[in-house]
Amino acid sequence: QKEVEQDPGPLSVPEGAIVSLNCTYSNSAFQYFMWYRQYSRKGPELLMYTYSSGNKEDGRFTAQVDKSSKYISLFIRDSQPSDSATYLCAMSRNNAGNMLTFGGGTRLMVKP
Amino acid sequence: DTAVSQTPKYLVTQMGNDKSIKCEQNLGHDTMYWYKQDSKKFLKIMFSYNNKELIINETVPNRFSPKSPDKAHLNLHINSLELGDSAVYFCASSQWEKNEQFFGPGTRLTVL
Repeated sequence: QKEVEQDPGPLSVPEGAIVSLNCTYSNSAFQYFMWYRQYSRKGPELLMYTYSSGNKEDGRFTAQVDKSSKYISLFIRDSQPSDSATYLCAMSRNNAGNMLTFGGGTRLMVKP
Repeated sequence: DTAVSQTPKYLVTQMGNDKSIKCEQNLGHDTMYWYKQDSKKFLKIMFSYNNKELIINETVPNRFSPKSPDKAHLNLHINSLELGDSAVYFCASSQWEKNEQFFGPGTRLTVL
């Protein structure tokens, strides 16, 4: 079993929908949680960065962390075709130059 | 202005050859990383360098050797290439005290 699990999708939604992307993890030592967006044949781009449990909002994006359930989510409001990409969750044990453990990514397709 | 750049973008070579991939960052970061992304999109950490010292070395074959001439550069040299080395290799950088890593565009390596 991988340390971080993510449904590979693809997840197909109509434009304007609210998208929910999720990851579960097994290592309770993880404290820092990130979401990356990766367009086809491009490098991952950092979207959201959160510490411990709680919510963080940035524009149309909201990241949620529930450490008690070892579950993190990324919500995208008013989804756009330009949001079509693979979304990778990542996490680490501490904040100091530590390795990131990534999920396998969920491919999202937003149809006009 | 490219933040993290890699060369070459594509690399096609024969089994048994030796090749290098170069990475440069102009973000003023002090820590750099190499990741491997396989065909199933899993990103796995290979190495990280902080202030020119190797910090993390995952279970990577010793055919892979990172070299950092200065804080802004981290190169990856691969000896005796094998078919299983075919993947996309990403360079990333961050500040040591922060886990927000910024990725390059990737080098797609194909070993024939």
